[in-house]
Amino acid sequence: AQTVTQSQPEMSVQEAETVTLSCTYDTSENNYYLFWYKQPPSRQMILVIRQEAYKQQNATENRFSVNFQKAAKSFSLKISDSQLGDTAMYFCAFWSGGATNKLIFGTGTLLAVQP
Amino acid sequence: DVKVTQSSRYLVKRTGEKVFLECVQDMDHENMFWYRQDPGLGLRLIYFSYDVKMKEKGDIPEGYSVSREKKERFSLILESASTNQTSMYLCASSTTGRNTEAFFGQGTRLTVV
Repeated sequence: AQTVTQSQPEMSVQEAETVTLSCTYDTSENNYYLFWYKQPPSRQMILVIRQEAYKQQNATENRFSVNFQKAAKSFSLKISDSQLGDTAMYFCAFWSGGATNKLIFGTGTLLAVQP
Repeated sequence: DVKVTQSSRYLVKRTGEKVFLECVQDMDHENMFWYRQDPGLGLRLIYFSYDVKMKEKGDIPEGYSVSREKKERFSLILESASTNQTSMYLCASSTTGRNTEAFFGQGTRLTVV
């Protein structure tokens, strides 16, 4: 069964600094998708970034980028130039998209951006 | 914009009641999911559905059932609510294939007293 592990329950970063959130996963599949979702205090889950396993190039979305290490089954999120609005719970998620079709989440990392 | 709508934002029910949580999506998505979110445990998958009338158990299906009679609607049913089912419930929907992503509802905070 697939599992997703986020080992950092809470993190803090100063405004304008860079922070990296860690995520590891376990799967025997070769083709899958990985996601980072953000959940601000409003509770609405928002997609931050997506990575397809067959793509070697790391995904980037403005200030957000990932370090995808397929062999190590690692998928970290880097937030550059942190802003107060980045304060949220961040969830790493795995989706095989195959027969099981399960979308599995980690336990989350609560990020606080300090002014 | 994709919209996933959950019928209630807050709900208070009594122990033993039958509870229905409704979720509707407007983008003709094949897949729909129900999760519960608890502090320190993240999102745990209860049930998911990949087509009308099709359902698959997630990681914590005990005490829950689901119904998907129409493609746009996915209902979560608590047959006999218990206090340990007090939680945040999130519904999501998605397509299948490349460039897919899950879209979430705003969540229902259920309290069972």
